[in-house]
Formats: sequence, C-alpha cells, structure tokens
Amino acid sequence: GAGVSQSPSNKVTEKGKDVELRCDPISGHTALYWYRQSLGQGLEFLIYFQGNSAPDKSGLPSDRFSAERTGGSVSTLTIQRTQQEDSAVYLCASTLVAEGNEQFFGPGTRLTVL
Amino acid sequence: DQQVKQNSPSLSVQEGRISILNCDYTNSMFDYFLWYKKYPAEGPTFLISISSIKDKNEDGRFTVFLNKSAKHLSLHIVPSQPGDSAVYFCAAARGSNYKLTFGKGTLLTVNP
Repeated sequence: GAGVSQSPSNKVTEKGKDVELRCDPISGHTALYWYRQSLGQGLEFLIYFQGNSAPDKSGLPSDRFSAERTGGSVSTLTIQRTQQEDSAVYLCASTLVAEGNEQFFGPGTRLTVL
Repeated sequence: DQQVKQNSPSLSVQEGRISILNCDYTNSMFDYFLWYKKYPAEGPTFLISISSIKDKNEDGRFTVFLNKSAKHLSLHIVPSQPGDSAVYFCAAARGSNYKLTFGKGTLLTVNP
C-alpha cells in the first residue's frame, strides 16, 4: 500500500482484557513511531523503533504497554489489563530515516475500554 | 507541563479570508517546527515545517512564521478554502531528535 495502515480501526474491549494493535508502515521506512491521542489532548509519544537498534520506550505510560517490531516492518502495540484511561486513538507513523521529522501517519485505532 | 501550546481550541473564518493559527513553545531547545493537518477519522498529514535558522517558510497558500525570541510560531493560510477545515496541530522537535512534541490542536472551520 501507499501509506501507513493500522488495524483494527476501532476496538472496544472490557476493562482488564488485553488488546493488540497493528501497524504496517510504508514499505522501506526504517523508523516507526507510536503515539496516542486522548480526548482533547495532543499526540503523546509512546515508543520509537529504528532499524535494529534498541527501541526508545521512554513514552510508554506503564509496564502494561509494550510493543515489538518484527522483521523491521510490521509493529504490534500490546496493552495488557486495559484500564478506562487507556481509551484513546493510537496512531502509528513512519519515516524513511530517523532524522526525518516529517512523519507519515496511519489513520489510527480508536480504543474504547468499557 | 505542556511544552507546545495552542491556546485557541477553535477558529472560524470566511472563505477567501486569511486564517492565522498560533502556537507557543516553552522549550528553547526546540529548533524544528512542523504543522500537521488532521481530518476526522484520518491520521495527521504533514503540511509545512520550519527550521530555527529561518523566520519564514512559504508553500503555496501556507506560510509559517517563527519568532524565536517570543517562542512563537504561526501558520497563515491565504486565501482560506472550505476544504481547509480540519484540526491543525503544531509540533516541535530538537534537531534530528525523532520525538515530536505536539500541541492540542486548533479546529479551523472555513465557512463558504
């Protein structure tokens, strides 16, 4: 595909359940980012992957959040034991090189925790 | 604490007039600034950027102005079109640092 894709587009889950969100970056992009946007807030950085380097996890809000990137392409963001405050839109972005600040975003996954 | 602030949650202008969206930042280490535009149910799309070595960057109807001493930047859209109606996010970065710090966004409505 031409752009960053994310799935599912919407996810409704019950408090305490685990969820997995998927991101397919633009082909050839080496850098991948996860952000989240809570209601009425700006985008909040979560985690960053660049090639084979160790990811920057400094934005993850708690140890219930984790992410992996397999084969330098697809990434999965996992939230364990979801809480209501995890409800947000989770956005993935990619760039060709790490210094590319012009990040290309996917459409996001809207997560609702009941 | 918010390092990037967009104090106007919304702005309404008439088609053909100028739209001015404002953004303030507190971190003097930021030296690269970007504007993103977001339509409902879509991800943000890059619009225009400016490096701190410049005070103005222009791309068609869009111009970004940077006032480093005031830690303020603005996005001017001239002339505004109804299709410009969207949420506009200001973002900042430190050099080649990949982390973007975003403001909360301003909803622009351009009325026909």
